[in-house]
Order: sequence, then C-alpha cells, then structure tokens
Amino acid sequence: SQQGEEDPQALSIQEGENATMNCSYKTSINNLQWYRQNSGRGLVHLILIRSNEREKHSGRLRVTLDTSKKSSSLLITASRAADTASYFCATDGASGTYKYIFGTGTRLKVLA
Amino acid sequence: EPEVTQTPSHQVTQMGQEVILRCVPISNHLYFYWYRQILGQKVEFLVSFYNNEISEKSEIFDDQFSVERPDGSNFTLKIRSTKLEDSAMYFCASTGDWGEKLFFGSGTQLSVL
Repeated sequence: SQQGEEDPQALSIQEGENATMNCSYKTSINNLQWYRQNSGRGLVHLILIRSNEREKHSGRLRVTLDTSKKSSSLLITASRAADTASYFCATDGASGTYKYIFGTGTRLKVLA
Repeated sequence: EPEVTQTPSHQVTQMGQEVILRCVPISNHLYFYWYRQILGQKVEFLVSFYNNEISEKSEIFDDQFSVERPDGSNFTLKIRSTKLEDSAMYFCASTGDWGEKLFFGSGTQLSVL
C-alpha cells in the first residue's frame, strides 16, 4: 500500500504558535503534495515538493521531504484561527501508476 | 483562478437507484479523477482518466461504477445500483499534466437511503 499516514491525527494550538504535521509513505515517489480541507469542503492545493527537492517554502508554509525515510513534514508558522482545517499529504507512484494517494489527515485547530 | 465545478452539491437517492454525478473540469486539463470521502475519514481514490480511457482504478471502483467524458467538457461518475455504503462526499479533480497539482471541485454529498 502506498497510503500516507499523517501524524498527529489532531493538533490544537494557540494562535501565533507554529504547527508541524508529519506524513509517512511506503513506496517511492515522484512528488508529494500537501492539501488543506476546510470542514465539508473541497481540497485546496498548498504546496508540491518533488523527489529531488529537500525543502520548499510558500508564505508561512515550509515543507521538507526525506526520501530516505519516506517522510515529509508541513510547518505552518505564526498560525491563525483561519488555518483551522484538515491537512492531507498526497503521494504519486514513482512510475506506472496514475493516482494520488491521500494520507489520513491531521485535523488542526488554532485557538484564538 | 479557474475552477472545477461539480453538480449537484447534494444528491439523495434510494438504495438500488442509479445516480450520475457531474463534473466540469478545468478546460485545458487532460487528467481527471474521482475521489470519495466518507464523513471525517480519509480521501479515497476511485479512478483516474486520461485520453478518453481509464488509466487506473481502485478496488472500490467495481462494476457498479463507470466514468464518461461524453462531450469534451463534462466528466461524469455513474453508480448503477447504489448501496448504503456508497453514501459519501464525491470529489472530482483535474490536472493539466501528470505530476502537477490537482484542482478539486467542491464535491457532491451523496446520501443513499
């Protein structure tokens, strides 16, 4: 199974603090993506990191990728109440597959 | 930013009935997907579609499911005989190229009674 697993499953922090979520996966990949989902809504792409990249930044987001450990982390700095959502990682297969597999997600709650 | 559009937003049906979920992907995209999410649970891959044929499908996507791109703009998911366990949020997604980010629609909440 290629399924990603995020941890923690749930995270509750105060506004202004940093939030770190981790994702582990099982097979080799071409890229790994992070998505955000507000309650009951569609998924919104946050950031994509390719297998030959180790770190990527976008605004308050920082993503790292360690292909040797088959893991990635998403850091949200200076969190805001509006960051409250579920966050998912998604991985493709290195070759021969045409699907993205989503992890189990981390539910982030940022308290004002 | 361009959007993926899904209709209807909610669909209620009786067990055993056929349903068709509709999606309009972004116009110049080439790869299309259906995913589903049972309330509060993980996002599950159903099927990917490229060049007018299925590229890959999951174990969930059995003979009761089919997809079609009938007119070059719509992308539909049909469930022939719905079961209670088909109740879920169904998401359509598209991307312009393999290995790029997915654009998701806002989903169709399917309730099978």
